[in-house]
Amino acid sequence: SQQGEEDPQALSIQEGENATMNCSYKTSINNLQWYRQNSGRGLVHLILIRSNEREKHSGRLRVTLDTSKKSSSLLITASRAADTASYFCATDADQGAQKLVFGQGTRLTINP
Amino acid sequence: SAVISQKPSRDICQRGTSLTIQCQVDSQVTMMFWYRQQPGQSLTLIATANQGSEATYESGFVIDKFPISRPNLTFSTLTVSNMSPEDSSIYLCSVSGIMNTEAFFGQGTRLTVV
Repeated sequence: SQQGEEDPQALSIQEGENATMNCSYKTSINNLQWYRQNSGRGLVHLILIRSNEREKHSGRLRVTLDTSKKSSSLLITASRAADTASYFCATDADQGAQKLVFGQGTRLTINP
Repeated sequence: SAVISQKPSRDICQRGTSLTIQCQVDSQVTMMFWYRQQPGQSLTLIATANQGSEATYESGFVIDKFPISRPNLTFSTLTVSNMSPEDSSIYLCSVSGIMNTEAFFGQGTRLTVV
């Protein structure tokens, strides 16, 4: 079963605006990761945040993690048309395991 | 990092037939993972493939329907057997880095069963 819940399921914004996506999970984790998927292709890793971290940045991406609320957010700043994709959070299914449990995903559309 | 070559990239198959998907990794890895992504849905883990032992299947997936081979540390196949339209999905193979690092994915196989 899917551990993660993401919201919103779909998000449409104008180019240049910021996009925020949220993810919640149910069990203890070692880390949480965010992935991007373009047009039903393979997933591309964006960023990993460990359970003892609260915030992490990578370029235009900012990820937060609140382990007390079992939630994470992904912020994409100054969005571009090329950011149009589906975004998934993923957690390690069992602490220490390599297999991942994915959230339902957010489909992001950037309008030019 | 790991580069994964997955094929075929897409196929249209008749119901009742089987399709074998291949996944080749450019480095040796202990575990390989097979996921299914139904239309408009997220990824669901089918099984974990270990070299030299039987694959470990997740709840709801069985070996008779999704037999997996793992002949060496760089290669695996997933077969979708006796296909029905409900098997139409994207199938992805994946490997992980060492603990606490990112996962790498093949480009996926888009399967349509008619």
